[in-house]
Amino acid sequence: DGGITQSPKYLFRKEGQNVTLSCEQNLNHDAMYWYRQDPGQGLRLIYYSQIVNDFQKGDIAEGYSVSREKKESFPLTVTSAQKNPTAFYLCASAGGGLNTIYFGEGSWLTVV
Amino acid sequence: GDSVTQMEGPVTLSEEAFLTINCTYTATGYPSLFWYVQYPGEGLQLLLKATKADDKGSNKGFEATYRKETTSFHLEKGSVQVSDSAVYFCALSDSGTGGFKTIFGAGTRLFVKA
Repeated sequence: DGGITQSPKYLFRKEGQNVTLSCEQNLNHDAMYWYRQDPGQGLRLIYYSQIVNDFQKGDIAEGYSVSREKKESFPLTVTSAQKNPTAFYLCASAGGGLNTIYFGEGSWLTVV
Repeated sequence: GDSVTQMEGPVTLSEEAFLTINCTYTATGYPSLFWYVQYPGEGLQLLLKATKADDKGSNKGFEATYRKETTSFHLEKGSVQVSDSAVYFCALSDSGTGGFKTIFGAGTRLFVKA
């Protein structure tokens, strides 16, 4: 089935560690996005990529990094510089006219 | 810049009640408008969309009409069910530098009681 796959679903990180969240899509979409959602809150854009080998910072990029080496993949690294990383992370993609965005199931990251 | 404002929740209704969740937007161009639904612990699912003024999006008994004159896209359902309990996000997508950007409202939590 076509869709967006995020892994892992749950991840625990010790303070000072970097972790990488995986996002893969088989929708042949050009654009991919990462959002952060805190409990009871809306979505905040971390990074987005409109095309392979190119990406832009969103509203809260500090402490995060991404790469876009393949069209299908847009991994997000949460670095030790991110002071409050515990949150729900959502990957998304958009194709066609680029104006309808579709989401993965999300990944929960908890710092222990 | 572009923005989306939706009514604060939570909204609590009894089963079979009528639902309205208000959404208004500001945009410099001609955006497309969306409603997404998020069930607990899951990602967002596209519920419906409208791409131009006076379009009506509909799905699963929900509907919303793109009103350019009032810059609104209110979500309605005639008879809610317990299974509709979720968080609903209004969003707009507009072109700009760097391609399309989607902007989300803060979300409105809906509780439906049996």
